[in-house]
Amino acid sequence: QVQLQESGPGLVKPSQTLSLTCTVSGASITSGTFYWSWIRQSPGKGLEWLGYIHTSGRTNYNPSLRSRLVISVDTSRNQFSLRLSSVTAADTAVYHCAQGEGEDAFHIWGQGTLLTVS
Amino acid sequence: SYELTQPLSVSVALGQTARITCGGVDIGRRNVHWYQYRPGQAPLLVMWRDSTRPSGIPERFSGANSGNTATLTITRVQAGDEAEYFCQVWASNINYVFGPGTKVTVL
Repeated sequence: QVQLQESGPGLVKPSQTLSLTCTVSGASITSGTFYWSWIRQSPGKGLEWLGYIHTSGRTNYNPSLRSRLVISVDTSRNQFSLRLSSVTAADTAVYHCAQGEGEDAFHIWGQGTLLTVS
Repeated sequence: SYELTQPLSVSVALGQTARITCGGVDIGRRNVHWYQYRPGQAPLLVMWRDSTRPSGIPERFSGANSGNTATLTITRVQAGDEAEYFCQVWASNINYVFGPGTKVTVL
């Protein structure tokens, strides 16, 4: 059974770069044809898809964040990561990682990690 | 961009039926997915491609999608169903779009 667990610093100062990691257990991150995504929920707002990295290494980002966002994978650690630069208070949110199968649903999610920009 | 609408909240008596709608232009032409979201927990996919229940989701959950409205229906509502529910579609320009969420309160 695949499980996802996010980890991060909890607090980041404005203008700095935020880094989060999602650890995948129960399966190899390189197996299958999965899309490993980051999704966030800001206070009082809904869910926002940020971007994904495919098992092939191909990435795709939300156009609104493309200039600030990089998603990468570390196959040796079975993890994928998010780096978001030039953060502001608007980036304060609970960040979730999720597994999907293309232009479809997100079948497995992590419980999320709260990131505060202050 | 493609936008989805949902009622802010739905209240339902214990044991009754809750219906949560998700509106969008010609949403009936798209696959709609539904998630149950509780703070501090991993969101749970409760309905996939309009009306398919993932393994482990009770038969009390059902889905439909036609025209401009998709609906998630929960029959015989239990206290444990209290949560926020989000619909989601795939849209080519922005990729994945979520609705604003509906908070279901069990009375």
